[in-house]
Amino acid sequence: DAGVTQSPTHLIKTRGQQVTLRCSPISGHKSVSWYQQVLGQGPQFIFQYYEKEERGRGNFPDRFSARQFPNYSSELNVNALLLGDSALYLCASSKTALGEKLFFGSGTQLSVL
Amino acid sequence: AQSVTQLDSQVPVFEEAPVELRCNYSSSVSVYLFWYVQYPNQGLQLLLKYLSGSTLVESINGFEAEFNKSQTSFHLRKPSVHISDTAEYFCAVRPSGGYQKVTFGTGTKLQVIP
Repeated sequence: DAGVTQSPTHLIKTRGQQVTLRCSPISGHKSVSWYQQVLGQGPQFIFQYYEKEERGRGNFPDRFSARQFPNYSSELNVNALLLGDSALYLCASSKTALGEKLFFGSGTQLSVL
Repeated sequence: AQSVTQLDSQVPVFEEAPVELRCNYSSSVSVYLFWYVQYPNQGLQLLLKYLSGSTLVESINGFEAEFNKSQTSFHLRKPSVHISDTAEYFCAVRPSGGYQKVTFGTGTKLQVIP
């Protein structure tokens, strides 16, 4: 079975632009979470979605939004990009909303110039 | 709210030597504890986890961690490291109830020297 897949792997944007990142969870996994990992730091929780509903949100501005589709894939949108949004964005999936084991994708490296 | 402290940003160690990566956490509620490993240009992989029961947990590749509630610690140890253990290790916590908001530490880079 394929693992968690994220696209694109790399992305370069300029300040003020909007970006959409995509994630496909492991087959059978219904929960998707998004994390932001700034260089030199640990990942920070952004969102969790389960069965197409938002189950949790981290301390991020409203410029960040996400959604989950009927096939459990997910998109993370970031509007009005800032230089500080440059980071590795990680998607993680699990079978259930409370599942203890998260499976991470390799991430999307976003650079904002 | 939870927080995780990994005091050592880098730990160099010679091959076949023992290593300990330190992790302390803070939380007002009961938590699950995790260690994740990140190899270069890859996502995170779960190394081991503590949910309940025995305070000593082990991974399949020789790492172990011990939950110490009184010291709020979850240090990671390995008696003999291998070159392939070179990676960044993240300690993490999440509430035992509720949703999956995992709080990660800042990571410790383990460099195994041949």
